[in-house]
Amino acid sequence: GAGVSQSPRYKVAKRGQDVALRCDPISGHVSLFWYQQALGQGPEFLTYFQNEAQLDKSGLPSDRFFAERPEGSVSTLKIQRTQQEDSAVYLCASSSTPQGVEETQYFGPGTRLLVL
Amino acid sequence: RKEVEQDPGPFNVPEGATVAFNCTYSNSASQSFFWYRQDCRKEPKLLMSVYSSGNEDGRFTAQLNRASQYISLLIRDSKLSDSATYLCVVTVQNNNDMRFGAGTRLTVKP
Repeated sequence: GAGVSQSPRYKVAKRGQDVALRCDPISGHVSLFWYQQALGQGPEFLTYFQNEAQLDKSGLPSDRFFAERPEGSVSTLKIQRTQQEDSAVYLCASSSTPQGVEETQYFGPGTRLLVL
Repeated sequence: RKEVEQDPGPFNVPEGATVAFNCTYSNSASQSFFWYRQDCRKEPKLLMSVYSSGNEDGRFTAQLNRASQYISLLIRDSKLSDSATYLCVVTVQNNNDMRFGAGTRLTVKP
């Protein structure tokens, strides 16, 4: 079956521009996660959804970052007024179980964001 | 101090060599442990879970020492295709709150 997909795969933005990154999780997966991966670093947790509910947004670095999953499937990560330090790969992952139950997270290919 | 620390490498080894990676974590309440593999410009993929009793999957052996808060990955008879970055992952509070190390880069040469 289809895995996690993300779009766009690459995004170049001018500083100050708003961007929207899309994630299509594996069909039926309850949990959805966003991570930010800077060059040479491991992924860092941004936010977590269980269905349409955003249960944890403790990793969002500033109020310029906003995520939603209104119908419990597709999710969008929005970054307002982008800054150069936002340049990173944004990874989306999904899993079939709710929070608290051990289950493999499946990652999408990521969106590589470059802010000039 | 980072929650999960790994030697960044790079480790450059010949084919057939045995190589070991180490990882330490700071949160004693950590619950689950994994090794993920990430190829260049690709997404992370689960390599194996790490259990307290240690576990083996083919050429790969993972071990956990809770007392020392230490995880290891051993790769035997390394192949060219093992070249990748290996990410140590620890979950805290609940099993979906994952913390990644920065990764250890491995290059296997002919």
